[in-house]
Amino acid sequence: DAGVTQSPTHLIKTRGQQVTLRCSPKSGHDTVSWYQQALGQGPQFIFQYYEEEERQRGNFPDRFSGHQFPNYSSELNVNALLLGDSALYLCASSLGRTGNTIYFGEGSWLTVV
Amino acid sequence: AQSVSQHNHHVILSEAASLELGCNYSYGGTVNLFWYVQYPGQHLQLLLKYFSGDPLVKGIKGFEAEFIKSKFSFNLRKPSVQWSDTAEYFCAVNAKGSTLGRLYFGRGTQLTVWP
Repeated sequence: DAGVTQSPTHLIKTRGQQVTLRCSPKSGHDTVSWYQQALGQGPQFIFQYYEEEERQRGNFPDRFSGHQFPNYSSELNVNALLLGDSALYLCASSLGRTGNTIYFGEGSWLTVV
Repeated sequence: AQSVSQHNHHVILSEAASLELGCNYSYGGTVNLFWYVQYPGQHLQLLLKYFSGDPLVKGIKGFEAEFIKSKFSFNLRKPSVQWSDTAEYFCAVNAKGSTLGRLYFGRGTQLTVWP
């Protein structure tokens, strides 16, 4: 058990809707990164949160946004959903931005119809 | 930007066969290197990592990998696979000095081991 928990595990949304995914990092970890894993692809970095601020961002449009709370948990929000947003969304946690190990959650499967 | 290539998309082996999965990366600077495994329905698990030192790295479950800097490669090996090794394997790279959470992954290699 990696200790990173994500919810929900599966969800189905309609094009144009908005979705919020949640992540609780491993106990003691303060940094959360989000990844998108499309079918047949490796995970792609969306962004990272540390000290409640977005610190780095991958090549994703502004429709993807996030938040980190004082207890280090995090949310990923996606607005104006497209069919191409269907994917497994992974949360990863680490201790500090340069900690030497990151742990992944099991992910949230999002299907956009 | 960094990129990772995993040339084998699907590998099929019989139990006890030897395994080598290829991984090449593209980046001009110094990197940290990782291999992750994803069993069906489970989260990504770290098999092994290379940060510095001995380029031959041993990981969990009998896996090892060798970093060859001149070839920009970090191939994963196991001398004798088991049915339980059936999973998807991902190679990942991270620029040394950058935030660790930003990993660049390859497309993955699906390994199927027949009993």
